[in-house]
Amino acid sequence: SQQGEEDPQALSIQEGENATMNCSYKTSINNLQWYRQNSGRGLVHLILIRSNEREKHSGRLRVTLDTSKKSSSLLITASRAADTASYFCATDVTGTYKYIFGTGTRLKVLA
Amino acid sequence: DTEVTQTPKHLVMGMTNKKSLKCEQHMGHRAMYWYKQKAKKPPELMFVYSYEKLSINESVPSRFSPECPNSSLLNLHLHALQPEDSALYLCASSQDRGQLYGYTFGSGTRLTVV
Repeated sequence: SQQGEEDPQALSIQEGENATMNCSYKTSINNLQWYRQNSGRGLVHLILIRSNEREKHSGRLRVTLDTSKKSSSLLITASRAADTASYFCATDVTGTYKYIFGTGTRLKVLA
Repeated sequence: DTEVTQTPKHLVMGMTNKKSLKCEQHMGHRAMYWYKQKAKKPPELMFVYSYEKLSINESVPSRFSPECPNSSLLNLHLHALQPEDSALYLCASSQDRGQLYGYTFGSGTRLTVV
């Protein structure tokens, strides 16, 4: 299975702290995306990083990609209670319309 | 309009029922997707429509039947489902293969089969 593995599976932090979650995948990719899902509802696209990029920022989000290690990390700085959600990475299957989602990290930010 | 709208939000159906899930987008996206998600699991791809043609069927049982009547609409027809089919069904759309801006997801239909 190409499914990515994310760690940790669950993370609990205090408001204001930084949260880091990691994604590892198995096959070559063109790009990797991160999504957030609140309370089992729809997923929201956060950020996309291409295979030739090493780091990307969007607001309080920082994503890194290491294609040699087949891994990516998502850093959320100065976390807020509203960041409480599940976070998934998704990797493309080259040449197709298919994206495979990782196992997800459940983040809880305590006020 | 930057949304994907899914109806209904909740559905309870018996194993002998026939029902349909509906998905609509008006962003001009030419690819539309159905995903199934069980609790505390990642979404799993079911079907992909590209330019209104079925391009991927992930070996989904025939009791699930997708339909794309036009570029804005995607339906999922359900018949003779099993209790293990209870899940959150997510629709998504994208420009091309999603490699530029990713997917836009609807808020899902929570299906319970009794």
